[in-house]
Amino acid sequence: GAGVSQSPSNKVTEKGKDVELRCDPISGHTALYWYRQSLGQGLEFLIYFQGNSAPDKSGLPSDRFSAERTGGSVSTLTIQRTQQEDSAVYLCASSPGGSWGTDTQYFGPGTRLTVL
Amino acid sequence: AQSVTQLGSHVSVSEGALVLLRCNYSSSVPPYLFWYVQYPNQGLQLLLKYTSAATLVKGINGFEAEFKKSETSFHLTKPSAHMSDAAEYFCAVSNSGGSNYKLTFGKGTLLTVNP
Repeated sequence: GAGVSQSPSNKVTEKGKDVELRCDPISGHTALYWYRQSLGQGLEFLIYFQGNSAPDKSGLPSDRFSAERTGGSVSTLTIQRTQQEDSAVYLCASSPGGSWGTDTQYFGPGTRLTVL
Repeated sequence: AQSVTQLGSHVSVSEGALVLLRCNYSSSVPPYLFWYVQYPNQGLQLLLKYTSAATLVKGINGFEAEFKKSETSFHLTKPSAHMSDAAEYFCAVSNSGGSNYKLTFGKGTLLTVNP
């Protein structure tokens, strides 16, 4: 079956511009996660959705970052007024949901963001 | 709070040799532990996970890991390395307590396999 897909695969933008990153989870998965992978910080949790609600936004690094999920499916991560330190690979994952702590998270290939 | 330490950011082995990638965790509640593999320009793929059943966990591609509570370790092993095993490996922890959906990852270990 289809896995988690993300678009675009690569995004180059200029400092100060806004960007939107998209994630299509595995069909039927109620839980969705965003992580950021960078050389200096490794893999960092950003935000978690259960259905359309985001009970945990604690990992978002600043108020320039926001995310939404519609119809319990597609999610969009938006970064406003991008800065060079936002350059990283943004990974999306989904899981069936409900098996607290033991759910397998299935990852997409990521979006590589470069801010010039 | 939970954390993961992977000893060795880079491990190099010969083809056919034993692979041992080290992972130690810290968790205030019983942990759940995961090993993921990442091939170049790809997302993370689950190798295996420990969820409080058997302490010796077998995964895909011939990998296994043993949960040792007394040592707070979850090392990943494979008896005989293949060239196709060259990738970056991440150990991660979640738990049965609050925020149990959140995976906390180690920094990763890059495995090189020499012919």
